[in-house]
Order: sequence, then structure tokens, then C-alpha cells
Amino acid sequence: EVQLVESGGDLVQPGGSLRLSCAASGFSLSGHYVDWVRQAPGKGLEWVGRSRNKAEGYTTEYGASVKGRFSISRDESKNSLYLQMNSLKTDDTAVYYCARLSRTNSGDFPDSWGQGTLVTVSS
Amino acid sequence: DIQLTQSPPFLSASVGDRVTITCRARQDIGNNVAWYQQKPGKAPKLLIYVASTLQSGVPSRFSGSGSGTEFTLTISSLQPDDFATYYCQEFYSYPLTFGGGTKVEI
Repeated sequence: EVQLVESGGDLVQPGGSLRLSCAASGFSLSGHYVDWVRQAPGKGLEWVGRSRNKAEGYTTEYGASVKGRFSISRDESKNSLYLQMNSLKTDDTAVYYCARLSRTNSGDFPDSWGQGTLVTVSS
Repeated sequence: DIQLTQSPPFLSASVGDRVTITCRARQDIGNNVAWYQQKPGKAPKLLIYVASTLQSGVPSRFSGSGSGTEFTLTISSLQPDDFATYYCQEFYSYPLTFGGGTKVEI
């Protein structure tokens, strides 16, 4: 069974750092793009960033509001992906989801999502 | 960045209604749009990609259309399980963006 499980969400002070994990099971994460998407309480969805697959060198893209503060990395041995979040702001408070993208003839689209992990940035 | 505007933000409907949600882009994005359904406390679920292709397992009452700057998601006959919030997302250029969402309620 394909499964993604996020972890690492916590209460952190403004200016602090946190690392979220996205652990995959039932498939090899290395062959897939993975997106991070977040949702502030009561708000809509915001795309955070993307890690391309191994064949494309795990290259990354980021949303404007997190570029330079967040970074995405992977550990193939653990079939996992990470979101390192630095210089956290109160506006980063949200549920963070990781999503596996699967390739179609028309591109890569997110067909499997984790349950989300809550990050709260507050003093 | 490409801005997506969804309308309406809220929609009151009844079981059996035909429902249409619109997503407009400020520039031509071809057919690079996906639609999602999200229920409270749950992750989004992919319904449609490249504007009109139905994701495997999604009921055929969902359909998508459009290209360029205007896209629509249609539910042909609203079912009780369809009361949720719907989002469009563009896959045309980075950073990717979502529409603001449309909450479909009774």
C-alpha cells in the first residue's frame, strides 16, 4: 500500500528552525517528484516547494514566501524526504503536507498525500 | 507569479444540482490546471489534471474543461459526499499557485 507519513511538526518560536520528515512506504520515493503544500488554519492551500526525482538530480523549486529559508532534501536509505525550515515566522504556521507526484503523458501530478503535520510558530 | 482567481468562493447547493466552479488565470497557461477536493481535516484529493483528464477512481460526474485563462470544474449531479472545498492549481510555471478555493455547502 502506498503511504506517506509526515512528522516533526511542533510549536517553535519565531526565528527558530524545524525539520519536517515525509516517510514513504509501499514504493520507492526516488523515482518520484515530491511536493510540499501547506495550509494555514482556516485558509487555502499554498505550494511550498518541489523535489524532482533521482533521474533529475533531486533538484528543487520553492515558493516565493519560503525561498532562501526552507530547503528540501532526501535520504534514499530511509526512503524519506525532509523540509528544513529556518528563520520561521508566525505566517509559517500551518499544516504541512507532502505529496507524491506520478508521471502521466501530460506531466507529473500529485496522486498520493500524507495526513499532514502541524507547525505552530508563536512566542 | 501566476494568480488564479476562483469563483464563487462559496456555493450553496442541493443534492442533484449541477454545480460549476470557475478558475481564471491572469495569463495564458495552456491546459496546465488541476482540480482538487478537500474535506475538513483531510489532505486534498486530485480530481482532474491537464484541465480535463479525470484522475483514476474519480466518479464520472466530475468533469473539467477550459484552456488558456478560463477553466471550469463541473459536478453534473451533486452527491452528499461532494460537499467539500475545491481548489484549482496551475502547473504552468514556478512557483506553482492555487486558487483561493470554493466551498460547496448545503
